[in-house]
Amino acid sequence: GQNIDQPTEMTATEGAIVQINCTYQTSGFNGLFWYQQHAGEAPTFLSYNVLDGLEEKGRFSSFLSRSKGYSYLLLKELQMKDSASYLCAVRDQGDYKLSFGAGTTVTVRA
Amino acid sequence: DGGITQSPKYLFRKEGQNVTLSCEQNLNHDAMYWYRQDPGQGLRLIYYSQIVNDFQKGDIAEGYSVSREKKESFPLTVTSAQKNPTAFYLCASCYRDRGHSSYNEQFFGPGTRLTVL
Repeated sequence: GQNIDQPTEMTATEGAIVQINCTYQTSGFNGLFWYQQHAGEAPTFLSYNVLDGLEEKGRFSSFLSRSKGYSYLLLKELQMKDSASYLCAVRDQGDYKLSFGAGTTVTVRA
Repeated sequence: DGGITQSPKYLFRKEGQNVTLSCEQNLNHDAMYWYRQDPGQGLRLIYYSQIVNDFQKGDIAEGYSVSREKKESFPLTVTSAQKNPTAFYLCASCYRDRGHSSYNEQFFGPGTRLTVL
């Protein structure tokens, strides 16, 4: 199984940077995903890491260290619309199942 | 216009009744998944199916049943045996393996909010 931990809440100011950490303990690993979920809506895919290092996509970046069981999602130039829950998910080897953390609620203040 | 649809968006049920949640996708995805989300918790896997006519239990399958008679459809039945069925239910789908150029990420439907009265 998977044990995935991420902070419950974070607050930041518009225009600032926020880093959401995710640590995991796994019985198998085939990639780590970050999803964004606005309240009452479906999660939408943000990023994917399977090799160590940083993946950058516009204002969002994601980092992975497999040896440390650690990832972070970096949100730059925060906008009000970035207020949402951010879910870290680890994929098992073989059967493509995802195990999700509880999510980090980010609140962006003006 | 490809995507995943779930119906209905809101569903109310009396205790002791079975109810079926619909999930349809026209993305030609091989695998489909059902998750449950409760306030303050992450998504928990109920059932998943990697090919037609085959499915496996997830972490919280008790009180639920599924079928996968067609590639496009993966309905979930919440039975009266489910002790706490009130929750937000999400269906997802993905390709099984599209090679190194694809993440094979899961795409989610809009969800069904089930309330047991």
